[in-house]
Amino acid sequence: KAGVTQTPRYLIKTRGQQVTLSCSPISGHRSVSWYQQTPGQGLQFLFEYFSETQRNKGNFPGRFSGRQFSNSRSEMNVSTLELGDSALYLCASSLAGTTTNEKLFFGSGTQLSVL
Amino acid sequence: GDSVTQMEGPVTLSEEAFLTINCTYTATGYPSLFWYVQYPGEGLQLLLKATKADDKGSNKGFEATYRKETTSFHLEKGSVQVSDSAVYFCALSDLGQGAQKLVFGQGTRLTINP
Repeated sequence: KAGVTQTPRYLIKTRGQQVTLSCSPISGHRSVSWYQQTPGQGLQFLFEYFSETQRNKGNFPGRFSGRQFSNSRSEMNVSTLELGDSALYLCASSLAGTTTNEKLFFGSGTQLSVL
Repeated sequence: GDSVTQMEGPVTLSEEAFLTINCTYTATGYPSLFWYVQYPGEGLQLLLKATKADDKGSNKGFEATYRKETTSFHLEKGSVQVSDSAVYFCALSDLGQGAQKLVFGQGTRLTINP
C-alpha cells in the first residue's frame, strides 16, 4: 500500500508569490490534515479536511487555504508569500479522523523556501 | 489552550545507555498522548501512544506511561542504539478540539554515538 505522497518535495519562491502544495493520502483514507514545521515555532496544525469539507482549522492567517477533492487528494495554497512562510509542510492522512485512537500517517513533506 | 512541554535538546548518549525524554502536558479535556519520531529527511512516524490514564504505550523497546496525576508522558528506553538517532516529538490530541489536531512539543534531537 502506497504511503502519503506529497509533491513537490522542494519549492523555492519569492516574496509576494503564491504556491500550491499537493497531498495524496493513503488509499481509503478520507481525512487529510496539514501541519507547518519551522525551527522557531515547531509543528503547528493548519487545517483538516474530510469529505471535501474543512472540519478543523488552526490559527493561521487567511493567506493559508486548502481544499480536498472527491478522491480525498488535498491541496494547500499560500498566497502573498512572506519570508516567515519558509517551512516544511507536512500532510497526514487517516481513515476517518473521528477518534484519537486512529493512527495518522505522515508524508515526507514539502520544503518551501521563500526568498 | 492545550500545550505540550518537552525536554530541550539536543541529547547525546553513548550506545546502550538509558534514555529518558521528559514530556508534560496541559489540557482541558482528556487527551490521548503520543510520541512521534522524525528521521532525517522524512515525515513523522508514530512511535507509541496511550489513550487514558495509567496506560503504557510501548514499541521497539521504547515505553511511556500516561500519568494523569503529574500530567506527564515521559519516553524511556533501556538501551539505545545508533539507529535511534532522530528527533522525538511528544504530542496530544483532544477529541473536543478535533481528533486530528495534534498539539506538539518542540521536539528533542537525540544523537547516539557508537
